[in-house]
Amino acid sequence: NAGVTQTPKFRVLKTGQSMTLLCAQDMNHEYMYWYRQDPGMGLRLIHYSVGEGTTAKGEVPDGYNVSRLKKQNFLLGLESAAPSQTSVYFCASSTPGTAQETQYFGPGTRLLVL
Amino acid sequence: AQSVSQHNHHVILSEAASLELGCNYSYGGTVNLFWYVQYPGQHLQLLLKYFSGDPLVKGIKGFEAEFIKSKFSFNLRKPSVQWSDTAEYFCAVIPYSGGGADGLTFGKGTHLIIQP
Repeated sequence: NAGVTQTPKFRVLKTGQSMTLLCAQDMNHEYMYWYRQDPGMGLRLIHYSVGEGTTAKGEVPDGYNVSRLKKQNFLLGLESAAPSQTSVYFCASSTPGTAQETQYFGPGTRLLVL
Repeated sequence: AQSVSQHNHHVILSEAASLELGCNYSYGGTVNLFWYVQYPGQHLQLLLKYFSGDPLVKGIKGFEAEFIKSKFSFNLRKPSVQWSDTAEYFCAVIPYSGGGADGLTFGKGTHLIIQP
């Protein structure tokens, strides 16, 4: 099993450009999450999904949109990138519906917005 | 909403020294607790977790943590650190009642440097 994979690994954008980050998991997990990691801030939840076709806002959702059209994929979109969105983005997934699930993380996408 | 506080942002130790990283959380109900590690250039890996039962939990690579409910603490320990333990360590919590839907709440991390 590949676990959680993320595409791309690294990207440079200009302010105002758009892009989509792809997260894929092969563990049949129901829940998927997008976090951003910034120095001295830890990881903060952007959006999450509890199942195919459902999404919800996390702690820092502004400037991002997400979609979960297929159970195994969770897309994070930036419609108009801003320098404040320079960060490392991590996707995670977890086992269905119990309180004892563990989140498994992808390798991260490093995004630089100029 | 829950929050997590990690006491030290940077810790520097010599090899073979003992390690204790502090973690406190605030939440009115039952939580599940985690410690994740991020080695340089790598993604987060689970070190250990506490859900219920024995409050002293053992994880990978000789790490352990003790949940003290009365102090809302979940401190990470290792008796003798190695150079390869140089990494960033994150404490995280998730409310038990939420079923995991809300995502993890992370502390800001502790950057641990082990000097040979």
